[in-house]
Amino acid sequence: EVQLVESGGGLVQPGGSLRLSCAASGFTFTNYAMTWVRQAPGKGLEWVSGISGSGGITWYADSVKGRFTISRDNSKNTLYLQMNSLIAEDTAVYYCAKSQVVTAMTFDYWGQGTLVSVSS
Amino acid sequence: DVVMTQSPLSLPVTLGQPASISCRSSQSLVHSDGNTYLTWFQQRPGQSPRRLIYKVSNRDSGVPDRFSGSGSGTDFTLKISRVEAEDVGIYYCLQGTHWPPYTFGQGTKLEIK
Repeated sequence: EVQLVESGGGLVQPGGSLRLSCAASGFTFTNYAMTWVRQAPGKGLEWVSGISGSGGITWYADSVKGRFTISRDNSKNTLYLQMNSLIAEDTAVYYCAKSQVVTAMTFDYWGQGTLVSVSS
Repeated sequence: DVVMTQSPLSLPVTLGQPASISCRSSQSLVHSDGNTYLTWFQQRPGQSPRRLIYKVSNRDSGVPDRFSGSGSGTDFTLKISRVEAEDVGIYYCLQGTHWPPYTFGQGTKLEIK
């Protein structure tokens, strides 16, 4: 059974940093691209970033480019999102999602999400 | 970026009645590989999104057959043949043809009348 468990969310001040993790199980992690999607309180879904199965290719939304870094450790079956220079608009539930292919996002399974709050 | 526009944004439906949600894209979603990467998600209250339909009309495993997707080019529809109480939630379309970025529709909130 595919499982994705996010962690690392919390309250952080504007300008601060946070690292999110997504622990994956139930599938061969290295074979699939992974992605982060966020949802601001009461709002819709916004794609944030994606990474290929090997980790060699990454993609970002313009809203986070230069501030966020996606990475993965295939030996630990874990996806990461390093978030720097956080602003209030980054406040959201962050979901990781699995793909069915190695170099594109298909969003077939989602984690339960982790809440990031940016506030002073 | 491709803009995805859903309508209606609010959809009150009587139990047992059909429901239909439209999703329109600002440009054709036909990929050069011949596929059309239009996906539908359901998000029940307090839950994570769940994929229902991929590549316009392919239902995911475990999705009831009362859900169906159709459309082509820039115009797509999610239909529920007979709405049940468990269908309450917000439905999103997503385009995965012209990326990055992947872009979602604004969401359609389905409620029971």
